[in-house]
This record gives sequence, C-alpha cells and structure tokens, in this order.
Amino acid sequence: NAGVTQTPKFQVLKTGQSMTLQCAQDMNHEYMSWYRQDPGMGLRLIHYSVGAGITDQGEVPNGYNVSRSTTEDFPLRLLSAAPSQTSVYFCASSYSSRLAEKLFFGSGTQLSVL
Amino acid sequence: GENVEQHPSTLSVQEGDSAVIKCTYSDSASNYFPWYKQELGKRPQLIIDIRSNVGEKKDQRIAVTLNKTAKHFSLHITETQPEDSAVYFCAASFTGGGNKLTFGTGTQLKVEL
Repeated sequence: NAGVTQTPKFQVLKTGQSMTLQCAQDMNHEYMSWYRQDPGMGLRLIHYSVGAGITDQGEVPNGYNVSRSTTEDFPLRLLSAAPSQTSVYFCASSYSSRLAEKLFFGSGTQLSVL
Repeated sequence: GENVEQHPSTLSVQEGDSAVIKCTYSDSASNYFPWYKQELGKRPQLIIDIRSNVGEKKDQRIAVTLNKTAKHFSLHITETQPEDSAVYFCAASFTGGGNKLTFGTGTQLKVEL
C-alpha cells in the first residue's frame, strides 16, 4: 500500500495563477481532508470529505475548492493564487467517517506564491 | 468552534529527562484527543490518542492524561532520547462535530545530549 500520495512535492506559482494539488489514498478510507501548515500556527483545516460526493468547509476555506468524485481522490484547487497561500499543504485520510480519528498524512506539498 | 491552546512552544531537555507538553481545549463536547509527532521535513504521524471516557493512556515511554473538568490534556515523555526531538501537536475533536480535528500550534522539543 502506498498510503496517502500527494503531488507535486514542490510548486511555485505567480499571483493569480490557478493549480490543483492532487491527493490519492489506497486504504479505502471514507474521510479525507486538507490542512495547511504555517509557522507558529499549527495545522489548519481547509476542507474535508466524509465520502464520495460529500465535502464541507473547515477553518480556512476561502480561496480553495475541493471535490470528491471517488473514494480514492480528493484534489484541492487554488482558484487564483495569492501570496497568503504560501504554505505547506497536507492531505490526510481516516478510516472513520464519524470522527477524524487516526489520521494518515501525505508527505506534503510546499507551495510558494510570488 | 473548538479552540486548542498548547504550551510551551519550545522545550529543551537533557537526554534521559522527562518532557511534558500541555494543551487546553474550549469545547466541553470534545471527546477525542490525539497527539502527532512531526520530524523535520516529514509528515505528522500519530503517536498516541485518548478518548474522553479514559483518564490516562500509556504506550512505552509516552503517556497522555486527560482532565475533563479542567478541559486540559498533557503528553508525558519519559527517558527522553535524541530521536524524540521533533514538533509535537495536540488536537481535539468530537463525534458529530463535523469531523473537524482542531490542532494546537505545536511544541518544538529538543533533546540535548
């Protein structure tokens, strides 16, 4: 099992560009989520999904879109990148759809917006 | 929504000493409290978790205690080793709370030889 796979590992964007961060898991987990990690601010939840076709907003959803068409994939879209979105992004999944329990994290995407 | 505060932000101990990291949470409905360890440049990994119906849980050198009345929980690491050096995050969530896991801001633990 590969676990949770994120691509790309690094990305540099110009302000206003759009892009999609990919996340895939092969553990048949119902719950998937996206976090951003900034120095001194811990991990903040952007969006999450409790199953295919179901998504909801987290703590910091503005500027990001998600969709969940399959159990395996949960891409994160930046619509118009801003310097404030420079961060490390982690995708995480869990077997439990009722509780964000025992999260498995991907290896992260380091994004810089110039 | 839930708010989790974590202290201290940095902690330096001598090898072999104990380390304690404390977190407080705001929502009395929270019933799940995990701890994650993140080594430099790596992904966060779950090291221990506890549910609200348990007051203490141990796994070898690490333990977590929960005080529901005071709404705080702590991570205890005994006999610290250099490989314990990392950032540790506490978190809290509750069943039916929209599956939102709220993290603390992290503690940088350094174990010195």
